[in-house]
Amino acid sequence: ETGVTQSPTHLIKTRGQQVTLRCSSQSGHNTVSWYQQALGQGPQFIFQYYREEENGRGNFPPRFSGLQFPNYSSELNVNALELDDSALYLCASSLSWGRLVDGQTPNSGNTIYFGEGSWLTVV
Amino acid sequence: AQKITQTQPGMFVQEKEAVTLDCTYDTSDPSYGLFWYKQPSSGEMIFLIYQGSYDQQNATEGRYSLNFQKARKSANLVISASQLGDSAMYFCAMSSLRGNNRLAFGKGNQVVVIP
Repeated sequence: ETGVTQSPTHLIKTRGQQVTLRCSSQSGHNTVSWYQQALGQGPQFIFQYYREEENGRGNFPPRFSGLQFPNYSSELNVNALELDDSALYLCASSLSWGRLVDGQTPNSGNTIYFGEGSWLTVV
Repeated sequence: AQKITQTQPGMFVQEKEAVTLDCTYDTSDPSYGLFWYKQPSSGEMIFLIYQGSYDQQNATEGRYSLNFQKARKSANLVISASQLGDSAMYFCAMSSLRGNNRLAFGKGNQVVVIP
């Protein structure tokens, strides 16, 4: 049990539609990252949010956008859905390492935890 | 840029035996973290173990241990006493310890534990 929850777990959309996926981060974590995992592949980084601001983005087009709220939960929005957007979307919750308390280092106790994912099918 | 390589084909492992999953990485960052995650067919990415580049000792977490060879840029996962519930995909990942903690993943290793 990671304390990271995602919704919905499964959904089917039509090409051209828009979708919003949601993530609640683990208590105390201020950073949320989103990943796309196509079938048979490793996850690919979409973007990260730290304290409501985007803090890095992968190689994804602008129709992939996000939000982070004051309680650190986050949304991933995808506009103009394409068939290739069909994938598992994973949310990861963590503390921002660049902002750890002085002297604190990443370890298994403050690492990166994932939710159960949202399976998106575009038809 | 960071790159993770996992090239082993799918593996069948006898229950109670140990299995080693290979992972090599490439980075120009002097400070980085290495991760292993387990992904069952349900899709959830389950954290297993973490190793920092400056850690002097190899990480261990229960039945999981990480064989970290910094000079060879390898971070192999060892699962001891395999159980049927260990059947899953296993992903090696890394992140710089500077800036944001985005993860770069390998393509994964499929493990099937047989009775």
